[in-house]
Amino acid sequence: QSALTQPPSASGSPGQSVAISCTGSSSDIGRYNFVSWYQQHPGKAPKLIIYDVSKRPSGVPDRFSAFKSGNTASLTVSGLQAEDEADYYCSSFPGVFGGGTKLTVL
Amino acid sequence: DVQLVESGGGLVQPGGSLRLSCTASGFTFSGYWMNWLRQAPGKGLEWVANIRGDGREENILDSIKGRFAISRDNTKNSLYLQMNSLRAEDTAVYYCARNIGHETFDYWGQGALVTVSS
Repeated sequence: QSALTQPPSASGSPGQSVAISCTGSSSDIGRYNFVSWYQQHPGKAPKLIIYDVSKRPSGVPDRFSAFKSGNTASLTVSGLQAEDEADYYCSSFPGVFGGGTKLTVL
Repeated sequence: DVQLVESGGGLVQPGGSLRLSCTASGFTFSGYWMNWLRQAPGKGLEWVANIRGDGREENILDSIKGRFAISRDNTKNSLYLQMNSLRAEDTAVYYCARNIGHETFDYWGQGALVTVSS
């Protein structure tokens, strides 16, 4: 059982927006502003797409945005594209992960 | 460019040992905490261990303490994970990753598959 809770699946049509939630506790998400999100395509290594709750590393499109409120963080993918179909994992200091959400682009 | 390349994975019998290596390039290796994470087949990510840039501080997942050990050789830009008394539940892809602070991992290796089976 993962320390952070994510929905197992999410979906949307091209061009639409999809939000993925990540629920933790007052010991992780609620306590620290160090939430990260990772994108993982099948057979590939995870890729950092969001860090420090809402910051994007260089090269990550601004279609990816995120925030947190209380013990819950959320990732939004806007203007869905086919290449966004992947697994998405949230993570929070001190090194806990969510179980992952499979995003399907319909 | 930052590159992390794992090696040493493979098939091992239960109770056996394996040593994973991760060779880094493209950045000042000694300046970063480095981590091992793993992903069991079809499962999510799990942090395994980390080690400070100078090698003088390390942390290991409680459930594998006493069986796994992390180390590094900054003269070789290399990170290691010694895995002993392996169990079927240790079967996973093991990734090395650079930590940019507060357990945020900005670069990952391609992964090394470890299969524990008789």
